[in-house]
Amino acid sequence: EPEVTQTPSHQVTQMGQEVILRCVPISNHLYFYWYRQILGQKVEFLVSFYNNEISEKSEIFDDQFSVERPDGSNFTLKIRSTKLEDSAMYFCASREISGANVLTFGAGSRLTVL
Amino acid sequence: AQRVTQPEKLLSVFKGAPVELKCNYSYSGSPELFWYVQYSRQRLQLLLRHISRESIKGFTADLNKGETSFHLKKPFAQEEDSAMYYCALSGHSGYSTLTFGKGTMLLVSP
Repeated sequence: EPEVTQTPSHQVTQMGQEVILRCVPISNHLYFYWYRQILGQKVEFLVSFYNNEISEKSEIFDDQFSVERPDGSNFTLKIRSTKLEDSAMYFCASREISGANVLTFGAGSRLTVL
Repeated sequence: AQRVTQPEKLLSVFKGAPVELKCNYSYSGSPELFWYVQYSRQRLQLLLRHISRESIKGFTADLNKGETSFHLKKPFAQEEDSAMYYCALSGHSGYSTLTFGKGTMLLVSP
């Protein structure tokens, strides 16, 4: 069964450093998403991406965040200058262009900001 | 604004007991409702959607628009049902954001 792949599985970084989280969505999926989950809290929407542009973003997704699809397979989330409160599990998801709003999630990347 | 409320953080039952995980929602239009599940050390995955009206692993959920609820039910819980369960909502548009509740941890004891 096809999977959404995320790397790294865990990253530890110093406050103020830039972080790039990578995702390989399912090959025939055209909608891509990033969600995050701070420990003990709910899964929160960050951004959706379609046709090489952001289609929707939440208020969490401020100027410190950016997304990119640099080639035909990767979908990245960049945090320009990490803060302590960025520590969370970041989930990438993708879905087909047609059909219901059913997302397939990756296993997540745990980001720890010290 | 769309909102999903799961009032219970933890639900603990014995094997064979009935289970009901509560979910209430707030949405101005006609929503799509989902239940996602996350087993220990596994990724978040779709359990069922209200449109399908199907039973998955013995679980069912009925959309009650009058009570704005989408409770997840199973008549006889199994130990392997122990997991984190998330209720989620989106609009019908293909661009609609999927919004999650806070999740309920289900623990099924032998």
